Amino acid sequence: SYVLTQPPSVSVAPGQTARITCGGNNIRSKSVHWYQQKPGQAPVLVVYADSDRPSGIPERFSGSNSGNTATLTISRVEAGDEADYYCQVWDGTSDHWVFGGGTKLTVL
Amino acid sequence: EVQLLESGGGLVQPGGSLRLSCAASGFSFSRYAMTWVRQAPGKGLEWVSSISDSGDSTYHADSVKGRFTISRDNSKNTVFLAMDTLRAEDTAVYYCAKIKSGSFSFGFDYWGQGTLVTVSS
Repeated sequence: SYVLTQPPSVSVAPGQTARITCGGNNIRSKSVHWYQQKPGQAPVLVVYADSDRPSGIPERFSGSNSGNTATLTISRVEAGDEADYYCQVWDGTSDHWVFGGGTKLTVL
Repeated sequence: EVQLLESGGGLVQPGGSLRLSCAASGFSFSRYAMTWVRQAPGKGLEWVSSISDSGDSTYHADSVKGRFTISRDNSKNTVFLAMDTLRAEDTAVYYCAKIKSGSFSFGFDYWGQGTLVTVSS
């Protein structure tokens, strides 16, 4: 089955840029989605189809996908961005949705 | 405004059954695929099951295949998750979510607040 690998944690100072990676075999051939989840809340879609943003999501959130790595980039990080972030793909070979293990973003 | 309201969670003994419901409003329910995702305490997100807009196609994670069944009633704007032979490892918050488009290329754009299922004797 398809596996997505994320770093367990990423730390960044306010105002800096956070980059959260999501590794998968030839992930560039798949459409990657990213979710933000704050404690006690349901996840929120922040990037879909590699690099598109749903309405209401700040432009500070962007995504890219190349080779074996997809990346969620958060520019000008704010304290309110502190959360768990998950990447996700649809694996058409197994007809399964797959989530990465999640990355905890800490704003220093 | 899109709303997804889950119900049916609770405490159940190992080997027991439970049926979750998710009532949807604020969008054309019959035009969108729906899905269930769970999150065990302190753990990450785990996809459980998905169903196409018409209900003709269903998909289940290997961990629940043969025990869980997803279904929908488009006349009542509701999606269901029937869970049988429950195990302790099924303990989790279960979220209902709407798939962003008719295809599986755009992720889950709306989520309910979740319902807690606890499997314990």
